[in-house]
Amino acid sequence: SQQGEEDPQALSIQEGENATMNCSYKTSINNLQWYRQNSGRGLVHLILIRSNEREKHSGRLRVTLDTSKKSSSLLITASRAADTASYFCATGEGAQKLVFGQGTRLTINP
Amino acid sequence: NAGVTQTPKFQVLKTGQSMTLQCAQDMNHNSMYWYRQDPGMGLRLIYYSASEGTTDKGEVPNGYNVSRLNKREFSLRLESAAPSQTSVYFCASSPQGGNSPLHFGNGTRLTVT
Repeated sequence: SQQGEEDPQALSIQEGENATMNCSYKTSINNLQWYRQNSGRGLVHLILIRSNEREKHSGRLRVTLDTSKKSSSLLITASRAADTASYFCATGEGAQKLVFGQGTRLTINP
Repeated sequence: NAGVTQTPKFQVLKTGQSMTLQCAQDMNHNSMYWYRQDPGMGLRLIYYSASEGTTDKGEVPNGYNVSRLNKREFSLRLESAAPSQTSVYFCASSPQGGNSPLHFGNGTRLTVT
């Protein structure tokens, strides 16, 4: 069964606006990762946040992790058309397994 | 660097046929993975290999077998394909299992009729 659940399933915003996606999970984790998938391509890693971290930044991306609520959020600031993609959270279970959620489809309108 | 290479890119099989999906990585990673992606289901783990010579089942292993031929290569075999195995299959690798980022190939789109 899948661990992470993203919310919303789909998000459509105007270029320049900020986009926020949320991920909830059920069990204890070692880390939580966010990935992007452009149509017809493989997933690309964006950010990894460990269970003892609360916030992490990478360029226009900000990820937060609240282990007490078993949730994470991905914020993309000043969105661009090229950010149109599906975004997935994945939780690290044990030493090897990485379990993915169902993803959020983000559309940036020009 | 090629990263993770999957072959073939597309395949159509008839029910009952067999085939092997190939995956190779050139990053000297220890761990390798096979996922399938279906509409609305996200990615589901089929099998993984923590190191050369070891393989373990994921969430949906039934109907599949794997071989970790060497550190570079991890193949996925469908012995008797079924329509339910119509999916996009992704191979991935990582240096430290689930505690490090996964690097994905571009997928194999498989249709079973």
